[in-house]
Amino acid sequence: DSGVTQTPKHLITATGQRVTLRCSPRSGDLSVYWYQQSLDQGLQFLIQYYNGEERAKGNILERFSAQQFPDLHSELNLSSLELGDSALYFCASSNGLAEETQYFGPGTRLLVL
Amino acid sequence: GNSVTQMEGPVTLSEEAFLTINCTYTATGYPSLFWYVQYPGEGLQLLLKATKADDKGSNKGFEATYRKETTSFHLEKGSVQVSDSAVYFCALSDVGTDKLIFGTGTRLQVFP
Repeated sequence: DSGVTQTPKHLITATGQRVTLRCSPRSGDLSVYWYQQSLDQGLQFLIQYYNGEERAKGNILERFSAQQFPDLHSELNLSSLELGDSALYFCASSNGLAEETQYFGPGTRLLVL
Repeated sequence: GNSVTQMEGPVTLSEEAFLTINCTYTATGYPSLFWYVQYPGEGLQLLLKATKADDKGSNKGFEATYRKETTSFHLEKGSVQVSDSAVYFCALSDVGTDKLIFGTGTRLQVFP
């Protein structure tokens, strides 16, 4: 158990809908990262937050957004969903120091029908 | 840009065989290097890491050495078990942003 929790574990929805994925980092970690794992793109970095502020952005679509709250949990919002958004979404956390180990949650499996 | 290249899978071995999974990287600066493992139906678990040249990371019988000359971080294990069957990901930590850049993953299947 990494100490990172993600909810829900599975999500099935329809095209055009909007969903919110939630992540709670390990106790004491200030940084949260979101990754997408899909069959065609592999594991890709989406976005990072550090202590409530956006720190780095990757290949995140404009339809996707995220935020980190004062209690340090984070939410990833996916809107106008398309079939191609079906993937496993991972959250990871670290203490935010340079090149520190990231600990991954169990992931949320999203299926868009 | 920075990238990681892993050998294609699946790798199929008999129990107690020697394992090598090749990983090479391209990066500016001197990133930290990682091996993560993903067991069926689970998330990513850190297997081992190395933060500078010539460092050797090790865990659960797995080892990898950070080779700056060959820009490699190959994963090895002397004697694999059926329980090692999983997908293994090599990754580097992007200097400056700390995002992880992953290889495509290598599926390992160990048969008794």
